[in-house]
Amino acid sequence: QVQLQQWGAGLLKPSETLSLTCAVYGGSFSGYYWSWIRQPPGKGLEWIGEINHSGSTSYNPSLKSRVTISIDMSKNQFSLKLSSVTPADTAVYYCARVDTAILGVGFDPWGQGTLVTVSS
Amino acid sequence: EIVLTQSPGTLSLSPGERATLSCRASQSVSSSYLAWYQQKPGQAPRLLIYAASLRATGIPARFSGSGSGTDFTLTISRLEPEDFAVYYCQQYGSSPRTFGQGTKVEIK
Repeated sequence: QVQLQQWGAGLLKPSETLSLTCAVYGGSFSGYYWSWIRQPPGKGLEWIGEINHSGSTSYNPSLKSRVTISIDMSKNQFSLKLSSVTPADTAVYYCARVDTAILGVGFDPWGQGTLVTVSS
Repeated sequence: EIVLTQSPGTLSLSPGERATLSCRASQSVSSSYLAWYQQKPGQAPRLLIYAASLRATGIPARFSGSGSGTDFTLTISRLEPEDFAVYYCQQYGSSPRTFGQGTKVEIK
């Protein structure tokens, strides 16, 4: 059974770069997209972007200029970088596997979430 | 971008009652790519329904999904105490992937 475990810095200052990594255990990278999603405190879910095993990426237009998602197949990990953060980027960040095959299950499983706070 | 609008924002019901949650899309969504998630405080979302009507592994039969095109519904036939949570619909067939704003099912 595939499990995702994520980690990264939880407290940043404005203008710094957010960096998170998600490790994939028990499954293959091939055939799926690997996504990042965030959720500001008390608010809904926002898709940030995703990457597939060949390194092809897709980003939310609202964040595209600041986001980079990368993959390291040798370590079974994928990562998120979000530059020039502001307090508006304070959120719980999740990683997830994305299955977009016909009758694919969508976003499942999810990582445990990482709270990132941006404050001076 | 496909905008998903969920209604109602909050649903106040008692255990044992039936819950009907709506998700309306700004443009047609392939039924193969519409999912519902449940989220409890402090937890990651949990997949309930995918492809509009298929239950994910381990999801009780009281959860069912239906709909096509621009109108989708999640039904919980008889609410159990553990079902009080926030529910999100999502389309994952086109980019950007988008979520509805959520429906909170609370105890009346």
